[in-house]
Amino acid sequence: AQSVSQHNHHVILSEAASLELGCNYSYGGTVNLFWYVQYPGQHLQLLLKYFSGDPLVKGIKGFEAEFIKSKFSFNLRKPSVQWSDTAEYFCAVKGYSTLTFGKGTMLLVSP
Amino acid sequence: GAGVSQSPRYKVAKRGQDVALRCDPISGHVSLFWYQQALGQGPEFLTYFQNEAQLDKSGLPSDRFFAERPEGSVSTLKIQRTQQEDSAVYLCASSTRTGLNTEAFFGQGTRLTVV
Repeated sequence: AQSVSQHNHHVILSEAASLELGCNYSYGGTVNLFWYVQYPGQHLQLLLKYFSGDPLVKGIKGFEAEFIKSKFSFNLRKPSVQWSDTAEYFCAVKGYSTLTFGKGTMLLVSP
Repeated sequence: GAGVSQSPRYKVAKRGQDVALRCDPISGHVSLFWYQQALGQGPEFLTYFQNEAQLDKSGLPSDRFFAERPEGSVSTLKIQRTQQEDSAVYLCASSTRTGLNTEAFFGQGTRLTVV
């Protein structure tokens, strides 16, 4: 069975601070990896995804993530956060069929 | 429509009442998924369809939960004799096909509150 662990449940940052959200997964086979964002009152939106190839993937709004296979990790980064990045962030892993999500990290960015 | 559509957006049910939640996937999408998201938690897998076939229902929490997709398009998640612990947001997602290297697109969810 696949599982996802997100390291922090809540993160508070000031604007312009750098962000790194940790994500580790367990799965025995080939995986696809995703980060989703959920802004207050809105539905899940895809930030970025890793299918294969370059382990450093870039997504929308300046986010990027690095897949480190040896560490089973897919950490999300952004060099300088904005107030508008306040949201909940979910890491997810997909095997052949279903997505498995982590419990999420609530990011609060103070102006 | 262009995206996954779910209805109703909000549902308040009295304990013991039956409810039906609808999902309209993106046209032509073969795979359809249902997830349950409790407050403060990540989405938890409930069940998955490929066309009209329900291939995995291992996440359904009890036999009070039932899902169908009779024509391989619209899906309905039914919860019988609702309990307070059923209160959650129910998310539907669809993708073009099963397998790796596919992305799931999510609807806005139905927020169910059981009182």
